[in-house]
Amino acid sequence: AQSVAQPEDQVNVAEGNPLTVKCTYSVSGNPYLFWYVQYPNRGLQFLLKYITGDNLVKGSYGFEAEFNKSQTSFHLKKPSALVSDSALYFCAVRDRRYGGATNKLIFGTGTLLAVQP
Amino acid sequence: NAGVTQTPKFRILKIGQSMTLQCTQDMNHNYMYWYRQDPGMGLKLIYYSVGAGITDKGEVPNGYNVSRSTTEDFPLRLELAAPSQTSVYFCASSYGTGVHEQYFGPGTRLTVT
Repeated sequence: AQSVAQPEDQVNVAEGNPLTVKCTYSVSGNPYLFWYVQYPNRGLQFLLKYITGDNLVKGSYGFEAEFNKSQTSFHLKKPSALVSDSALYFCAVRDRRYGGATNKLIFGTGTLLAVQP
Repeated sequence: NAGVTQTPKFRILKIGQSMTLQCTQDMNHNYMYWYRQDPGMGLKLIYYSVGAGITDKGEVPNGYNVSRSTTEDFPLRLELAAPSQTSVYFCASSYGTGVHEQYFGPGTRLTVT
């Protein structure tokens, strides 16, 4: 079965330090992977996606993600965290059973990032 | 360009009541989706549509209905509301074939008491 796992419910990091939010996936074949951010009382906002090619994907707000096929991971990273990065982060994989016919996504349960001043 | 808009923002329903959550997008996206978000559970797909007149069930469709008469609108109908439908509901849309991200609305917070 296809799935996405975010093993940490919460990640705490000090402002200015690098941050990593972890994501692993289980899907047959080549995955299409996404990261979204949700600020309090808001909808999800798209950060970045991996389709193919370079394993390091750059996205919005200085975030990047590293695709690792052998470890089936797609960790979200940022070199220097800001207090304003504090939010809920979701990893997602496109459902391969339907592909582009529906663009359905399978979401992880989310990781709360707390950046302390 | 308003993106994806949802109304209402908040609603309290009594058990057994019905209501329609509205969703409109102005990006000419073919695909639209309804999710519910429960704490610690991520997002669960309720229904989706790949074009006007075409809808299909997602993971958790029971207790809900949808219609898609236009490209822009994708309303979600709750019939006979139950406490288990207390949740935050998000509408999303995306372009069609290809690998495209979904764009989300601001959500509707629904409480059923």
